[in-house]
Amino acid sequence: QKEVEQNSGPLSVPEGAIASLNCTYSDRGSQSFFWYRQYSGKSPELIMSIYSNGDKEDGRFTAQLNKASQYVSLLIRDSQPSDSATYLCAVPSGGSYIPTFGRGTSLIVHP
Amino acid sequence: DVKVTQSSRYLVKRTGEKVFLECVQDMDHENMFWYRQDPGLGLRLIYFSYDVKMKEKGDIPEGYSVSREKKERFSLILESASTNQTSMYLCASSFRLNTEAFFGQGTRLTVV
Repeated sequence: QKEVEQNSGPLSVPEGAIASLNCTYSDRGSQSFFWYRQYSGKSPELIMSIYSNGDKEDGRFTAQLNKASQYVSLLIRDSQPSDSATYLCAVPSGGSYIPTFGRGTSLIVHP
Repeated sequence: DVKVTQSSRYLVKRTGEKVFLECVQDMDHENMFWYRQDPGLGLRLIYFSYDVKMKEKGDIPEGYSVSREKKERFSLILESASTNQTSMYLCASSFRLNTEAFFGQGTRLTVV
């Protein structure tokens, strides 16, 4: 059973703080990991991808991957109210490597 | 940029109607997917296709069928719409399995 787990939140942080979002997955064979941002009423938008253990930085976003512990996280530095959204973790899983999504973590950045 | 276009943003249909949701991608992607998204349940895979005329059932295929006659187009069909199919439907495509998927704008379907 392929599973991707996320805390549903909401995670509330003040403007300018670091938001930390976490995701665990069950399929040890997974090789690629993605973070999507979804605003209310809109479709998911890809913001980060990571394939190797360690950190990957892109602007204010950092993805962290630990395959041994089977978790992937997303850090958002200098959080802005415009970052308020649901963040979905996606892990291609199973023999067919179909994208499997977590249920998402709701992030609220308050001024 | 990858563009995935769904034919309708909002749809209202009656119970028992046959409903067609269309999705077109312009990046020559091999794989296309249909998900539905419901509050508290996340994205659930209905069907996917890895090539023209090829399809595989996802986690919740009951009450749905799909068609992929051309590489760029993937259609979701609700054979006889029911109120429990009221949902947000999301189409996505990817170049290969195990790579990032890109989503269309979504179709919010209401069955009355």
